[in-house]
Amino acid sequence: SQTIHQWPATLVQPVGSPLSLECTVEGTSNPNLYWYRQAAGRGLQLLFYSVGIGQISSEVPQNLSASRPQDRQFILSSKKLLLSDSGFYLCAWSRRSGNTIYFGEGSWLTVV
Amino acid sequence: AQKVTQAQTEISVVEKEDVTLDCVYETRDTTYYLFWYKQPPSGELVFLIRRNSFDEQNEISGRYSWNFQKSTSSFNFTITASQVVDSAVYFCALSGPMDSNYQLIWGAGTKLIIKP
Repeated sequence: SQTIHQWPATLVQPVGSPLSLECTVEGTSNPNLYWYRQAAGRGLQLLFYSVGIGQISSEVPQNLSASRPQDRQFILSSKKLLLSDSGFYLCAWSRRSGNTIYFGEGSWLTVV
Repeated sequence: AQKVTQAQTEISVVEKEDVTLDCVYETRDTTYYLFWYKQPPSGELVFLIRRNSFDEQNEISGRYSWNFQKSTSSFNFTITASQVVDSAVYFCALSGPMDSNYQLIWGAGTKLIIKP
């Protein structure tokens, strides 16, 4: 069966510090990968998606970037965090030929 | 343009009551897919169901049931005999055909509170 893990689960970072959230998927090959953000009490916002290694599409221009160095690894980064980057970040995957998205456990980021 | 509306921001019921969560969608695609996800307080989004536009049969899974009506562009979700563990935020979502970029259009979510 397929599993998805992301870490760290919680993170408190000062403004201006860098960020790295990692996500890996097991049990499948060539997945589509996604990073979503959910601000407190709000809906889901798609940040990035990837259909293959090195292929990243950005949905919202902002302070964040994503990379996919391996087929089943997806990384969300920032060089300098802003207060507005606080939120709940969710990594997700779907099969290349499917459109059902499966989510990881999420990472709570608080920028102080 | 595609859009998903979950007009109910928050619903509160007493345990064992039945509750229906509404979802209304807009799309110009003839082939599309509808989804429901559950987000418990822990945060992880849990996939519940996917329905394609050609299948209007209602779906029942235990205490959960889904009513898909193309005539009213609705995909409503009913929980029968609700339990405290059903307390969560529920999201409805829409995607286009399989050959699109698989992105989901999300509703704003409905927070469901089940009181003991």
